Amino acid sequence: AQSVTQLGSHVSVSEGALVLLRCNYSSSVPPYLFWYVQYPNQGLQLLLKYTSAATLVKGINGFEAEFKKSETSFHLTKPSAHMSDAAEYFCAVSGSTAGNQFYFGTGTSLTVIP
Amino acid sequence: KAGVTQTPRYLIKTRGQQVTLSCSPISGHRSVSWYQQTPGQGLQFLFEYFSETQRNKGNFPGRFSGRQFSNSRSEMNVSTLELGDSALYLCASRVRTSETDTQYFGPGTRLTVL
Repeated sequence: AQSVTQLGSHVSVSEGALVLLRCNYSSSVPPYLFWYVQYPNQGLQLLLKYTSAATLVKGINGFEAEFKKSETSFHLTKPSAHMSDAAEYFCAVSGSTAGNQFYFGTGTSLTVIP
Repeated sequence: KAGVTQTPRYLIKTRGQQVTLSCSPISGHRSVSWYQQTPGQGLQFLFEYFSETQRNKGNFPGRFSGRQFSNSRSEMNVSTLELGDSALYLCASRVRTSETDTQYFGPGTRLTVL
């Protein structure tokens, strides 16, 4: 089975500072990778996804993530944090075989300090 | 296209009762997954349906069941409710192409068991 590890259940950054949320996956074959964001009392919103077309993926709200196969990582970054970025972020992976289940990390809560 | 819809958005039940939640996927999507989200356990996979058949199943007791209809709408049922079933229940609509495999989430149903 695949798994996803998100390092750091809570991350705090100052407004305007770099946001870095870490995600590592375990997969024997190149997977599809995703980042989702969840605001309080809402569902998960797709931020970005890796589909093997390019290793650097740009998403909504200025976020991007880089797929590094050698490190089995898919870290999420944003150059300058905004107060509205405060939310829960989930990394997810699905296998390349049809019917594979999605696997989610445990989430990282991002706090932005004014 | 309209997004994933879930009804009702909020529910209050008492222990021992049963509950049915509904999910309508994005038009054209044939796969629906259900997740339970709690502060203590995070996001946990319940089951996935594809073309009216259960394709994947998480590690939940038999009190949790689901089904999918020919129009891809899905329902999940929880019988003999327990206090620990209080959670946000999320439904996800899934689409798979030759290039990617993506889940889109609904807003969730907040279930409170008293």
